Amino acid sequence: QSALTQPASVSGSPGQSITISCTGTTSDVGAYNYVSWYQQHPDKAPKLLIYDVTNRPSGVSNRFSGSKSGNTASLTISGLQAEDEADYYCSSYRDSSTYVFGTGTKVTVL
Amino acid sequence: QVQLVESGGGMVQPGRSLRLSCAASGFTFTNYAMHWVRQAPGKGLEWVAVISYDGLSQNDADSVKGRFTISRDNSKNTLYLQINSPTTEDTAVYYCARDHSGGGNDLWGRGTVVTVSS
Repeated sequence: QSALTQPASVSGSPGQSITISCTGTTSDVGAYNYVSWYQQHPDKAPKLLIYDVTNRPSGVSNRFSGSKSGNTASLTISGLQAEDEADYYCSSYRDSSTYVFGTGTKVTVL
Repeated sequence: QVQLVESGGGMVQPGRSLRLSCAASGFTFTNYAMHWVRQAPGKGLEWVAVISYDGLSQNDADSVKGRFTISRDNSKNTLYLQINSPTTEDTAVYYCARDHSGGGNDLWGRGTVVTVSS
């Protein structure tokens, strides 16, 4: 069960927008609208940012947005802030009622 | 308050067994499917297993198939992960997480550390 592919690192200056990609296959990202995104600060549990490709849970900033095209999902962070520096993971439902996470992306605020 | 609290982690020898628990509170446990997710030291998140709200359906990752068993006791609002025949590659922080209707995990515990070492 291969992990979804994410860039290892992405960086941006405060106020800029960045986008993190998450590439899967026709058995996961491309087949289902069950892509979610998580933010994880060091030594903390992950926090859900986006579910069902585009939806934000209550309390999550509207600076976070999600999208999908084909086998690739994306997370965009607008108006980058220092507190956004963290690791980000995508996840998708996959065939055979299983789930898979992405490889993770470290976001650095310059 | 709404929370998940894992317990049962620790050091275990390769080949021995360990059972993790996850106590849920502050919400209707029986309404939700539940997951276990793990994170090896310095590595990314890895999905481990899921169980339906009623405990009648389970699925797990190939990496743990046949060795790990997810279960739940709805009368005790508790989720379990039975770890059999662990190897050093099972060393990780183990998180329990609530399913958000199939689209993500909206509530996570703080995790419990499992170290497999002789």
